[in-house]
This record gives sequence, C-alpha cells and structure tokens, in this order.
Amino acid sequence: GDSVTQMEGPVTLSEEAFLTINCTYTATGYPSLFWYVQYPGEGLQLLLKATKADDKGSNKGFEATYRKETTSFHLEKGSVQVSDSAVYFCALSVGSSASKIIFGSGTRLSIRP
Amino acid sequence: DTAVSQTPKYLVTQMGNDKSIKCEQNLGHDTMYWYKQDSKKFLKIMFSYNNKELIINETVPNRFSPKSPDKAHLNLHINSLELGDSAVYFCASSQRPGFRGTYEQYFGPGTRLTVT
Repeated sequence: GDSVTQMEGPVTLSEEAFLTINCTYTATGYPSLFWYVQYPGEGLQLLLKATKADDKGSNKGFEATYRKETTSFHLEKGSVQVSDSAVYFCALSVGSSASKIIFGSGTRLSIRP
Repeated sequence: DTAVSQTPKYLVTQMGNDKSIKCEQNLGHDTMYWYKQDSKKFLKIMFSYNNKELIINETVPNRFSPKSPDKAHLNLHINSLELGDSAVYFCASSQRPGFRGTYEQYFGPGTRLTVT
C-alpha cells in the first residue's frame, strides 16, 4: 500500500546550519507530495507541496523537489532559525474519489541559538 | 478569522464516559476529516466526510461515531472511553479532492483528550 518514510528525529542543529530531512514514499499512481509543519501546541500547517515529477515546492526558505526516479521528497533549508523548531511531516495523497493524505511519522527539529 | 475551529481544546474525563468533540470550518470546503495523533506524534486518519457523506472510515472502533449536520461541521462522538483513547484529535477540511488529489488540508488546533 501507499506509505511515507521519513528520517527519525529528533534533529538538533545550531542556528544558521543547513537542514535536510529525508523523505521517501511508496505509492501507486501519481501522488501529490506535501510537507506539513506542526509548531508546539498547534495543528498542522501546509509548508509546501509538489504535484508532479520534478516540481519544486518552496516556502519560507524551505524547498523540496519531487523526484520520481528515487521516490523522494527531501526537505531542505539553507539557514535554519530558532523559530523553525517544530515537527515536520512528509505526506502524500493519491487522487481518487476517496482521497486521503498519508503522513510519515514526523521529524522533530530543534534549533539551538 | 479562524478557519478550522475545534472545541474543547482540552478534555479530561474518566473511563467509561461518553464525550463529543466539535469541529467547524468557515472555508467553504466540502470535505472534512478527523485524525488521531498519538503520544509519538504519529498521525492517522480516522474518518472523512464529503458534503455530509462518509467517504473514509478507517479501522476505528465503533465506539467512535462521526456526525456531520452540514458540510461546515463534523463532530466526533466517543462512547465508553478507554485509556487508549487518550491522544490529540485533529479536525481538518479541504476542497473536494480532484483528479490528482491536488488539494491541501487545513487543520484545526487539536483537542487533547486525556482519559483517566
């Protein structure tokens, strides 16, 4: 079945460090791919998305490229800030009349000042 | 403006009780969802309604019963609460899924349920 695998956390970095959170997926059909972010005590917010191969999603300095050949959608940011501390979820959806989003297990990111 | 709201934010109750969580969205979306997030942050869909019609019903105990009085509301009623029901429950909404599922879901702030 469809699934998402992302790197286990927690990930701890110093401010201004480069960030990569790995995400790979298994899906039938042509999934759309998402990164959601959950700040402490809040619900999930869409961070970025990509709907077809080679698309790059970007927002708030974060980027991820839909790689069909490696079935990956890794999240990157060139210089992280303390305010980026949150839990990040990679997710996919496959279009159908009963679409649903399948989430990865989440990666907790902590940024030290 | 609150897009997706849930009440209550916190719910502490004893085993065996019956409780409800309410969800409302003012985004004009046709589809609403309930998710359960466990203590390890793992997020799993429970139900999905499209225009008041149940379209996704994952393997959830029948003690959980969603109710959608109109397409802007999706409430979750839980009977005979158990310790294992303790979790954060998130409501979400989206446009009706398209051909490639190119939609995004908007989440509420969550309801932390603690069963003692």
